[in-house]
Amino acid sequence: GQQLNQSPQSMFIQEGEDVSMNCTSSSIFNTWLWYKQDPGEGPVLLIALYKAGELTSNGRLTAQFGITRKDSFLNISASIPSDVGIYFCAGRPPPGNQFYFGTGTSLTVIP
Amino acid sequence: SAVISQKPSRDICQRGTSLTIQCQVDSQVTMMFWYRQQPGQSLTLIATANQGSEATYESGFVIDKFPISRPNLTFSTLTVSNMSPEDSSIYLCSVARVGNTEAFFGQGTRLTVV
Repeated sequence: GQQLNQSPQSMFIQEGEDVSMNCTSSSIFNTWLWYKQDPGEGPVLLIALYKAGELTSNGRLTAQFGITRKDSFLNISASIPSDVGIYFCAGRPPPGNQFYFGTGTSLTVIP
Repeated sequence: SAVISQKPSRDICQRGTSLTIQCQVDSQVTMMFWYRQQPGQSLTLIATANQGSEATYESGFVIDKFPISRPNLTFSTLTVSNMSPEDSSIYLCSVARVGNTEAFFGQGTRLTVV
C-alpha cells in the first residue's frame, strides 16, 4: 500500500496554543482526509479536501490540500483539553477507491 | 455520515481458531473496506470488500487468512483464520458512499489471541 509520512509523531502543548501537523506522500492523491481517534474508538472524520490548493475549516480546525497533491496539513487553533487524541491523515491515490493512512500524530494538551 | 455497527466489539480467542467479524451499515454504500490497527500503530488496509465478487486484497494480505464476504450493499464480514497472537489487533470496517469522497468508520473489533 501507499506510504504516508506524518509529522510530528507526538506533541505536548499548553492549552490555548495552536497546533500544526502535516502529512506527505511520495505519490499524488485525489482526496485528503483528516481523522481524530480517541482510545477505544474508531477514527472520526474531521475534514475532507478534494482539490489541490483547497483550504477548508471546521471550527478551530483548518486543513489544506497541498499544491503538489503530495501533502496536506492540519492546524488546530486555541487548543483545549478535549483535543487530546491521535490525529491521522488519509489519502486516496488515483485511480483507485482505497484510502491509505498516515502514521499518526499523538496530541497531548496540558491544562 | 453513516451509522456503522461492528460485532463483536471485542473478543479473546484461542490460537488456531477463527473469528468472523460483522459490519452492518444503516444505508447502502458503494465501498466497504477492512483495516487492521495493531497496538499503538496506524491503520493498515487489508482489503476492499466488493459486492457480489471476491475482495481485492492489499499486498501482504491473502484470502486464505482473511476471507471476506459482501452479500449486499449494507453488510460485510471479515474472518481472521487460524489465529496466532500476532493477529491481536483492532479490526475496523470502513464505508464510503457514491463518489467515494469520504470514508467513515465503525467502532472496531478488539481481538486478543491467546
